[in-house]
Amino acid sequence: EIVLTQSPGTLSLSPGERATLSCRASQSISSNILVWYQQKPGQAPRLLIHGASSRANGIPDRFSGSGSGTDFTLTINRVEPEDFAVYYCQQYGSSRNTFGQGTKLEIK
Amino acid sequence: EVHLVESGGGLVQPGGSLRLSCAASGIIFSSYTMKWVRQAPGKGLEWISSISSSSSIIYYADSVKGRFTVSRDNAKNSLFLQMSSLRDEDTAVYYCAREFYDFESHYYYGLDVWGQGTTVTVSS
Repeated sequence: EIVLTQSPGTLSLSPGERATLSCRASQSISSNILVWYQQKPGQAPRLLIHGASSRANGIPDRFSGSGSGTDFTLTINRVEPEDFAVYYCQQYGSSRNTFGQGTKLEIK
Repeated sequence: EVHLVESGGGLVQPGGSLRLSCAASGIIFSSYTMKWVRQAPGKGLEWISSISSSSSIIYYADSVKGRFTVSRDNAKNSLFLQMSSLRDEDTAVYYCAREFYDFESHYYYGLDVWGQGTTVTVSS
């Protein structure tokens, strides 16, 4: 089973700063199967990025994804107040789906 | 507009049973694999079950295997999760979600449509 480890657990930033979130897989995976979600309190997760680097419909271009193999990154350029939330990476598996444990982006 | 709406959550005693439903609208429900994902209070997301479009392929997380049963009725655009032998640790918000995976290109578009969730509380 592939394990996804996200870091940091919590990231404290001020609006306007750049956020860099990491997702590391326990073994190499195709970038085609790595996605990112955003979840705000009391809401369902929202798909942000698929294929490691492609923004989902309606996602602002300040969100970008990159990476390959075992190391993937979600970057938020110039964090907006509405971006403070928890972010999860996930990989597709034919028999199971694995989520990372999440990174909380909080206001500094 | 695309919608998934869960229902059936509530308070149940340990050892009890509950049946969750997920009603879909605005999507070609019968074409997609559907998932159940849960989130315990203050915790992260946990995948618990998948069911293919034709119900021919079903998977469960080890944490629920043998206790939960997923099913769907494509004619009624509905997904179900029958939960039995419930434990305290099953307390969570349960989400249904649509999975979009292209088998030809092996490209995963993710869980692109989610319901709002239904809360299950297991407590005596």
